[in-house]
Amino acid sequence: QVQMVQSGAEVKKPGASVKVSCKVAGYSLSELSMHWVRQAPGKGLEWVGGYDAEAGDTVYAQAFQGRVTIIEDTSADSLYMELRSLRSEDTAVYYCAGNNYYASGSFLIWGQGTLVTVSS
Amino acid sequence: DIVMTQSPDSLTVSLGERATINCKSSQNVLYSSNNNNYLAWYQQKPGQPPKLLIYWASTRESGVPDRFSGSGSGTDFTLTISSLQAEDVAVYYCQQYYSSPITFGQGTRLEIK
Repeated sequence: QVQMVQSGAEVKKPGASVKVSCKVAGYSLSELSMHWVRQAPGKGLEWVGGYDAEAGDTVYAQAFQGRVTIIEDTSADSLYMELRSLRSEDTAVYYCAGNNYYASGSFLIWGQGTLVTVSS
Repeated sequence: DIVMTQSPDSLTVSLGERATINCKSSQNVLYSSNNNNYLAWYQQKPGQPPKLLIYWASTRESGVPDRFSGSGSGTDFTLTISSLQAEDVAVYYCQQYYSSPITFGQGTRLEIK
C-alpha cells in the first residue's frame, strides 16, 4: 500500500518562503511521477508543478514560475516543494500527488495535505 | 493552456437516480498515436484529498464502484453515476493531463434531493 505523508501546517508572513515535504512509503519515489496541487479555502484544485514524463523534466505552472522549486530526493523517497515570496493568495492546502508512469499526469496517490497560511 | 469547463456547477439528484456531469476541454485531449484521452475524474469529500475515479476518460480505477462510469472523446466528456448513493455526495472534478500545464475543471457539487 503506497502512502504519502506530508509535513505539518505552516504559518508564514508575506514575503517569506515555505518548504513542504512529502515522504513516500511502500513504493520507490523513482517509480512515480510526482506533482504538487494546491487548493485555496473553499476553492478548486490548482496544479503547481511536477514531473513531465514527455519532457523528461520538472515543469511549473506559469503562475508560479520563478517562485517555486520542486525537488526529488530518491535516496530518501521524499519530495519537496519550496514556494518563495509568499503572499496572502498563497494561503491554501498543498497536496503532493502522483501515479505510475503509465498513467503519468493523473493522480492516484495523494498526501494528506499541508495547510500553508500566509498572514501578517 | 487547455481550459476545462464543467457543467453544471451544482447538481441535486434523488437517491437511486442517475447523476450526469459534463466536462468540456478547450482543446482536443485525445492523443492519436495511442488513442487515449488524457482525461481523469476525481471525487473530493470535505476535509479529504481528491480520489481518482476514472482515468483515460473511461478506465475505472481499481476499487471504484461500477456505478461510476466515464465516457467521451476529444473535447467532450461525461461522468455518470448510475444510481446515486448517499456516500456519493461530494465535489467532482475533471482534469486534463494531455499537456502542461495540467488543468482542472472548476468542480461540480453533487447533493441529494
